[in-house]
Amino acid sequence: AQTVTQSQPEMSVQEAETVTLSCTYDTSENNYYLFWYKQPPSRQMILVIRQEAYKQQNATENRFSVNFQKAAKSFSLKISDSQLGDTAMYFCAFMKRPTKLSFGAGTTVTVRA
Amino acid sequence: GAVVSQHPSWVICKSGTSVKIECRSLDFQATTMFWYRQFPKQSLMLMATSNEGSKATYEQGVEKDKFLINHASLTLSTLTVTSAHPEDSSFYICSASWTGGTEAFFGQGTRLTVV
Repeated sequence: AQTVTQSQPEMSVQEAETVTLSCTYDTSENNYYLFWYKQPPSRQMILVIRQEAYKQQNATENRFSVNFQKAAKSFSLKISDSQLGDTAMYFCAFMKRPTKLSFGAGTTVTVRA
Repeated sequence: GAVVSQHPSWVICKSGTSVKIECRSLDFQATTMFWYRQFPKQSLMLMATSNEGSKATYEQGVEKDKFLINHASLTLSTLTVTSAHPEDSSFYICSASWTGGTEAFFGQGTRLTVV
């Protein structure tokens, strides 16, 4: 079974600043997918960014980017220019087919005005 | 992206009664659906995986007779909490995907309160 570890239960960041969330995972697979999901107070799961393990280039989505280190099994998320709407719980997730996700414990991010 | 609709968004039921939660894929055929349970400020815990036309596969520790899952069509899966008790109160979320897919799509979740 795959394990996903998020070691930061809570993070606080000033509006417009940058915050980085850490995630490590353990797997013997070579082909897999990694995701960061955002869960705001509404509790709807929102996909923030995804990374295919076979791609060396780090994924980017607007203000969100990842640092994917396959050998180290590390997948961190950087939120740049933080906005109040970024306040949410963030989950790192691992997936190998067929689409079964393993989630980390989550990191609660609070953006301060 | 693909849309998954979960209904109801919230439900209150009396202890001892059963409650059904529906998960529908609106614009794709969901060959696989997953049901999760989430306690406040905690992660999603996978309860079971269902494939259309097959019996659901339950995770260890999940009571099959209490949490009945049916995936009778490619667009609908249901979770029935039978003989509900206050400790079953939780947030339940479904996700769905298709064969060969590399992403799962989530419903809005259902907040169940058993009184």
